[in-house]
Amino acid sequence: DAGVTQSPTHLIKTRGQQVTLRCSPKSGHDTVSWYQQALGQGPQFIFQYYEEEERQRGNFPDRFSGHQFPNYSSELNVNALLLGDSALYLCASSLRKVAGTDTQYFGPGTRLTVL
Amino acid sequence: GNSVTQMEGPVTLSEEAFLTINCTYTATGYPSLFWYVQYPGEGLQLLLKATKADDKGSNKGFEATYRKETTSFHLEKGSVQVSDSAVYFCALPSNAGGTSYGKLTFGQGTILTVHP
Repeated sequence: DAGVTQSPTHLIKTRGQQVTLRCSPKSGHDTVSWYQQALGQGPQFIFQYYEEEERQRGNFPDRFSGHQFPNYSSELNVNALLLGDSALYLCASSLRKVAGTDTQYFGPGTRLTVL
Repeated sequence: GNSVTQMEGPVTLSEEAFLTINCTYTATGYPSLFWYVQYPGEGLQLLLKATKADDKGSNKGFEATYRKETTSFHLEKGSVQVSDSAVYFCALPSNAGGTSYGKLTFGQGTILTVHP
């Protein structure tokens, strides 16, 4: 049973550039959430996708956008990168449509460094 | 919204010592509660969960009991190993009445270091 996978593992960008991170959910899951984890902090919720629509959003600017594809995989896009965007970006998947199976499972993350 | 507070400061123990990491929560209703673990350089792994009051979650020798009287979900292990060295996060759904597939709120994390 494949778990949550993310790509790339590491990424280095410069200020002002744009970046796309990718996530494939755990087999059978239909919901993808994205979190940002700054060094030494707990994860902060960015947004969540279900049925190819953004369902919930945290306190992140519009520079952060996403997409979910029909196969449930997802992308996180960040435009106009700032130094403060340097963090570990975590993807989590869950199964929303079946009650009682709602636990979120996390991928290994993508480490983004902005220079 | 719901919130969680973890004990501050790193925890350093010798192998086979008893571990407690405190977690208290503020929530509307009785949401599921979670402990996640993050090993160095990795993402988060679900360690255990409890879905209702008085439930005990357990996994790999770790336990936590959902106590509504004290609004706590403390993590315990009777005998830690060097391999348990990691960061531990307590978490719950962020929104009042929120489900666990929605936005999660995490504590700030507790760094555990176990020495041989």
